[in-house]
Amino acid sequence: RKEVEQDPGPFNVPEGATVAFNCTYSNSASQSFFWYRQDCRKEPKLLMSVYSSGNEDGRFTAQLNRASQYISLLIRDSKLSDSATYLCVVSTRKGSNYQLIWGAGTKLIIKP
Amino acid sequence: EAQVTQNPRYLITVTGKKLTVTCSQNMNHEYMSWYRQDPGLGLRQIYYSMNVEVTDKGDVPEGYKVSRKEKRNFPLILESPSPNQTSLYFCASSFGNNQPQHFGDGTRLSIL
Repeated sequence: RKEVEQDPGPFNVPEGATVAFNCTYSNSASQSFFWYRQDCRKEPKLLMSVYSSGNEDGRFTAQLNRASQYISLLIRDSKLSDSATYLCVVSTRKGSNYQLIWGAGTKLIIKP
Repeated sequence: EAQVTQNPRYLITVTGKKLTVTCSQNMNHEYMSWYRQDPGLGLRQIYYSMNVEVTDKGDVPEGYKVSRKEKRNFPLILESPSPNQTSLYFCASSFGNNQPQHFGDGTRLSIL
């Protein structure tokens, strides 16, 4: 079982719709959680950090469920420009350090 | 402008010919990391560095070397490249290994 798992998609969604996807992680001691966005053949860019209380940034909402060990990303009123791959990242203790473990990403395609 | 700079952006070379991919950051970040990204596998960490003269193996270190003689630079060295090292490589930096990372533009390596 992978340490961080995402549904690879693609999710084909009409413009204006709401879309949500989850990311599960296996290590209950994981500390920090992030969502990144990656456009085709470009570098990943931080979308948002995920806090225990949940957080919102405009049309984007991230939630953490420690009991079930998953984080989620909700995009409201989706735009064509939201088409990208969304990467889930979990910071997990490895020995005396923390390591960022990356999911393989969920591809989102917004259609007009 | 705060950035992570990788060079070269693209390189096609032959098996066994030593190559170096440079990475430099201007944000005074202590933590730097190298990843490779292959289809369906997501980002996999090759090596990371917690600070100057401190480096450690990631998940896929075989066939790679790194050095961290200065805080801003973290070159990736392939002493004897092989075709299975054909991939998209990213350098990243952050204030700590539990913090969101800033990425370079990526280096696409093709080893023939």
